[in-house]
Amino acid sequence: SQKIEQNSEALNIQEGKTATLTCNYTNYSPAYLQWYRQDPGRGPVFLLLIRENEKEKRKERLKVTFDTTLKQSLFHITASQPADSATYLCALDGMNRDDKIIFGKGTRLHILP
Amino acid sequence: NAGVTQTPKFQVLKTGQSMTLQCAQDMNHEYMSWYRQDPGMGLRLIHYSVGAGITDQGEVPNGYNVSRSTTEDFPLRLLLAAPSQTSVYFCASSPRRTGGYEQYFGPGTRLTVT
Repeated sequence: SQKIEQNSEALNIQEGKTATLTCNYTNYSPAYLQWYRQDPGRGPVFLLLIRENEKEKRKERLKVTFDTTLKQSLFHITASQPADSATYLCALDGMNRDDKIIFGKGTRLHILP
Repeated sequence: NAGVTQTPKFQVLKTGQSMTLQCAQDMNHEYMSWYRQDPGMGLRLIHYSVGAGITDQGEVPNGYNVSRSTTEDFPLRLLLAAPSQTSVYFCASSPRRTGGYEQYFGPGTRLTVT
């Protein structure tokens, strides 16, 4: 069955350092991979999309990589700030209308001042 | 634009009761979906719709019904509530089903079934 895994339940990073979150998947050939941010008591908010033919995408302090051979995406936040503390979810999406979008369980990130 | 709105924010039901969770979007999005989020389980797709009059089942559809009579509204009905349906429910919409479009999520409904 399709499976998506995100690294560790919680990640503690010192302010100013780079936070790196991992998303691994099996039994899925995604055309797109998305990253969302979720704050406590709120719905997820879209951050970045990367396509299967793209290796890397950047947006301000965020960088996403996508390796379809390793079946892995890495999500980096550089110069991290306490305001970056949240849960980050990755999601896989296929090319076809019948493909189901699946979400990982998320990684809780704590940026320590 | 209000985006995606959900009502109610909180609800407590007794086992066996029924209710409807409301979801509306004002962005003229074609695709709408319902997820439930449980601790340690992540977001799981319940039902989705690719347009008015078209709905389909997701990963965990049992115990839930949906309909899509208009582009804007996508209510989720719990037929006979059970404690296993205690969860946080999110409605989401996006312009199209395919193409990797971002999903816009509502604020969620926290449901407790006793």
